[in-house]
Amino acid sequence: GQNIDQPTEMTATEGAIVQINCTYQTSGFNGLFWYQQHAGEAPTFLSYNVLDGLEEKGRFSSFLSRSKGYSYLLLKELQMKDSASYLCAVYSGAGSYQLTFGKGTKLSVIP
Amino acid sequence: GAGVSQSPSNKVTEKGKDVELRCDPISGHTALYWYRQSLGQGLEFLIYFQGNSAPDKSGLPSDRFSAERTGGSVSTLTIQRTQQEDSAVYLCASSLAPGGGRGTGELFFGEGSRLTVL
Repeated sequence: GQNIDQPTEMTATEGAIVQINCTYQTSGFNGLFWYQQHAGEAPTFLSYNVLDGLEEKGRFSSFLSRSKGYSYLLLKELQMKDSASYLCAVYSGAGSYQLTFGKGTKLSVIP
Repeated sequence: GAGVSQSPSNKVTEKGKDVELRCDPISGHTALYWYRQSLGQGLEFLIYFQGNSAPDKSGLPSDRFSAERTGGSVSTLTIQRTQQEDSAVYLCASSLAPGGGRGTGELFFGEGSRLTVL
């Protein structure tokens, strides 16, 4: 089966840096996505990793270690609007086209 | 339109009634997905379409759930004899191509259809 684990909730201060971890156990691997979902809205794409290493995009970076089944999303210079749920999702490949999502990490940014 | 469109945005129905939820994907996207999101839960995969065929329908919870896609575009998710546990937000997403892939595998989601079964 597929299993994706993320912390349920996190709190961080405006202007700070926060790291949201994701660990996965899947039957295969063909890429990992991070999505942002504000309350009551649709998830929106943030990042994609398929090779080991760090992908940087503005204030957001995402890291992947395939051997450890581990990823993290790094958010810098936090803003109040970054308060949202962050969803880790994995394509297991091997003939399956399901994108399996974790339950998400609810991030609250406080002044 | 430019994005994934879903209707209705909200649906309240009585237990035992049938409901239809519609999804209009981004033009040119061959892959279409249905997910369900219950309160406090993650996104639960229901079914995946490539063109008009559904190679993976393993997430449909029961035979009360069915989906079809016509013309490689619009999809309809039908829930028969609705139960209270069917209450959730049903999200549709599309992508250029199935599976992973930078620039092609990202899913674009609609705003969802919130279903409440009384």
